[in-house]
Amino acid sequence: GQNIDQPTEMTATEGAIVQINCTYQTSGFNGLFWYQQHAGEAPTFLSYNVLDGLEEKGRFSSFLSRSKGYSYLLLKELQMKDSASYLCAAMDSNYQLIWGAGTKLIIKP
Amino acid sequence: GAVVSQHPSWVICKSGTSVKIECRSLDFQATTMFWYRQFPKQSLMLMATSNEGSKATYEQGVEKDKFLINHASLTLSTLTVTSAHPEDSSFYICSASLAGEVDEQYFGPGTRLTVT
Repeated sequence: GQNIDQPTEMTATEGAIVQINCTYQTSGFNGLFWYQQHAGEAPTFLSYNVLDGLEEKGRFSSFLSRSKGYSYLLLKELQMKDSASYLCAAMDSNYQLIWGAGTKLIIKP
Repeated sequence: GAVVSQHPSWVICKSGTSVKIECRSLDFQATTMFWYRQFPKQSLMLMATSNEGSKATYEQGVEKDKFLINHASLTLSTLTVTSAHPEDSSFYICSASLAGEVDEQYFGPGTRLTVT
């Protein structure tokens, strides 16, 4: 079956760094996405990885290892506004997104 | 950037009535639109994939006669929840893909439906 695993909740301190992990099992693979979702709002796109390695975009970076079925989202210099749920989604061979349940990130001052 | 709008943003309806939700791509043509529903603290669940000019493809367990999807143009898809029940109360989100591009879906802001 197809499955996405990510932690349910994480807590971090303002100004610190946090890494949110995601493991996936899909029928075929066409990329790994990270989305940010604030409560009551739709997800917003953060990153897309299809090749192994690290993609850096400002304070956010995303890493992919296809052989391990593993990705992480790295958030640096955390700000209070980063408090949100972070959704990991893998695209399967039918170009369909398989979603994780999301990781709720709580930022403390 | 690509913008997707949804209307209404929230709606309250009585049990047994029907509700239509619109999804529009404002500045691009979307050959494919997706409809999701999300319950509190749960993952997005894909309901159906809608291609312009053809019938929607529904996911297993989603009743196509209850959730009517119409994708009549390259910029508009509609989801109609027919004979709504309280258990249909949810956050409904649409997304759209640019023609020929699979590496990103652009999400609408979502519609919160409450059925009383």
